[in-house]
Amino acid sequence: NAGVTQTPKFQVLKTGQSMTLQCAQDMNHEYMSWYRQDPGMGLRLIHYSVGAGITDQGEVPNGYNVSRSTTEDFPLRLLSAAPSQTSVYFCASRNSDLSYEQYFGPGTRLTVT
Amino acid sequence: AQSVTQLGSHVSVSEGALVLLRCNYSSSVPPYLFWYVQYPNQGLQLLLKYTTGATLVKGINGFEAEFKKSETSFHLTKPSAHMSDAAEYFCAVSTGGSYIPTFGRGTSLIVHP
Repeated sequence: NAGVTQTPKFQVLKTGQSMTLQCAQDMNHEYMSWYRQDPGMGLRLIHYSVGAGITDQGEVPNGYNVSRSTTEDFPLRLLSAAPSQTSVYFCASRNSDLSYEQYFGPGTRLTVT
Repeated sequence: AQSVTQLGSHVSVSEGALVLLRCNYSSSVPPYLFWYVQYPNQGLQLLLKYTTGATLVKGINGFEAEFKKSETSFHLTKPSAHMSDAAEYFCAVSTGGSYIPTFGRGTSLIVHP
């Protein structure tokens, strides 16, 4: 199993540009989520999904869109990049049982200039 | 509602000294508790978890944590720090009614030679 994969690893955008961060998992996990990590702020939940076709907002959803057309994939779209979106983004997945841990991808480091 | 508080954004110890990272949670129902570790420029990986049963939980790399319901705590300890333990540590809680675990803000462990 590859686990949770994310692409790209690094990205530099200009203000106003749009892009999609890719996330895929091969563990047949129902739950997937996106976090951003900023110094001193820990992990903040952006959006999450509890199954194909079902998504919901987390703590910091503004400026981001998600969709979940398959169990495996959960892309994160930045509609119009802003410098405040400079961050490290992590995708995670887990089984629906609450006792199961989350599996994290390696992260995407995004810089918006 | 569930929440996690990690006391101390930075903890500094000497190599060979005891490591103690503090985590307190808030939950109205029995929680599932997790500790994750993040090494520099990597994603998070599970260190240990408490679900049910024995309250003293052993994890990887010599770490352990004890669930204390009366103190609503789940502190992480290691008897003797190693230079390779230097990393960011996150406490997390899952409970019924919440699809996604709640993470603390993280504690950076610094190990001095």
